[in-house]
Amino acid sequence: DAKTTQPPSMDCAEGRAANLPCNHSTISGNEYVYWYRQIHSQGPQYIIHGLKNNETNEMASLIITEDRKSSTLILPHATLRDTAVYYCIVRVEGGGADGLTFGKGTHLIIQP
Amino acid sequence: GAVVSQHPSWVICKSGTSVKIECRSLDFQATTMFWYRQFPKQSLMLMATSNEGSKATYEQGVEKDKFLINHASLTLSTLTVTSAHPEDSSFYICSARDRGLGGANVLTFGAGSRLTVL
Repeated sequence: DAKTTQPPSMDCAEGRAANLPCNHSTISGNEYVYWYRQIHSQGPQYIIHGLKNNETNEMASLIITEDRKSSTLILPHATLRDTAVYYCIVRVEGGGADGLTFGKGTHLIIQP
Repeated sequence: GAVVSQHPSWVICKSGTSVKIECRSLDFQATTMFWYRQFPKQSLMLMATSNEGSKATYEQGVEKDKFLINHASLTLSTLTVTSAHPEDSSFYICSARDRGLGGANVLTFGAGSRLTVL
């Protein structure tokens, strides 16, 4: 799996868009970008994933640069409940039988 | 959507005793489940991969005789921490794949089980 780099922490005002960056400069052509988040003392939650096109679902949008070396997760209208650690993971679609490897992620704090 | 249930959500035990944690996929079948451990202020660490009907695969450095994993059915995997000691106190989280959700890397996680060993 390609290595990812995320800022350790970010603040965002409630109601504003939260933009979480992730660098994955060594990503290979068949690797997807996955985002998960973990609210304090809970299990992680899947958010979204993509290969090269931008993706949007009810939770967030994922913007992947044209060269695929970085991506941004966007929470359009952040609420206090979005305070969590957000993990960016790069992995081939099949993934084999292996579990996901989590890095340190970004601790997003939504300020009232 | 897919739901993974863990039980108990928290447990306190005495040093030297064994503790069993259950992980159930409630509305889907999971041939593979994953067990993670998370210490305070740290990220999740994959401990082992639980395979239905066969032996679990353990990550390097995880003692298989201490962390017994049983995956006897397509909806249940158990993790038993044997002869627990205070250093085993941690947050244990299981996860499973529901391939219908969009691929092999979309995992559904349980809420976690917090183990405190006195």
